[in-house]
Amino acid sequence: LAKTTQPISMDSYEGQEVNITCSHNNIATNDYITWYQQFPSQGPRFIIQGYKTKVTNEVASLFIPADRKSSTLSLPRVSLSDTAVYYCLVAQGGNNRKLIWGLGTSLAVNP
Amino acid sequence: KAGVTQTPRYLIKTRGQQVTLSCSPISGHRSVSWYQQTPGQGLQFLFEYFSETQRNKGNFPGRFSGRQFSNSRSEMNVSTLELGDSALYLCASSLLQRGDLDTQYFGPGTRLTVL
Repeated sequence: LAKTTQPISMDSYEGQEVNITCSHNNIATNDYITWYQQFPSQGPRFIIQGYKTKVTNEVASLFIPADRKSSTLSLPRVSLSDTAVYYCLVAQGGNNRKLIWGLGTSLAVNP
Repeated sequence: KAGVTQTPRYLIKTRGQQVTLSCSPISGHRSVSWYQQTPGQGLQFLFEYFSETQRNKGNFPGRFSGRQFSNSRSEMNVSTLELGDSALYLCASSLLQRGDLDTQYFGPGTRLTVL
């Protein structure tokens, strides 16, 4: 079973900030949170990874509250090219091989 | 640095045949994992190889097998193909060094269609 729960789909418009929240109530002490992006007929692409508080890179931010039971991927000022499926994974030390990835969140960015 | 490459990109086979897919990891990466992705389902882990040895295995029948060569390139084989084997097969490589967060880098996938 997947260890995470995230919305099936979201809609947004160009230029808006998009926040995708993932629930992981049973996260273990050694688990890290990783987000991937996938376009149709392509392999997933690593976006960001974190353990607690806030992580930011050139693409996105990841907010993790103190209890770590959820996390939020924040995409600033989305464009049409951000239309994709976003996956949230929780795994020990980032080792997420044996997990079932689930359906992810299908984000549609409209003009 | 070149990314993960997979060949072929597209493949059409008929039931009962067998198929071999190839994956070349990022230079220096020693871990290669294989996944199956079907419409309506998430990625499902097949197996992982590290230094020519199978390190992890998912819950797939014995028809699915793989191997890794000394240059870290990997192949997966599916024998006696079934219609349900139609899927996007993804390969991912990683450094897998002790103490590192294990980030996987995926290839573009091989789209297999079984008729």
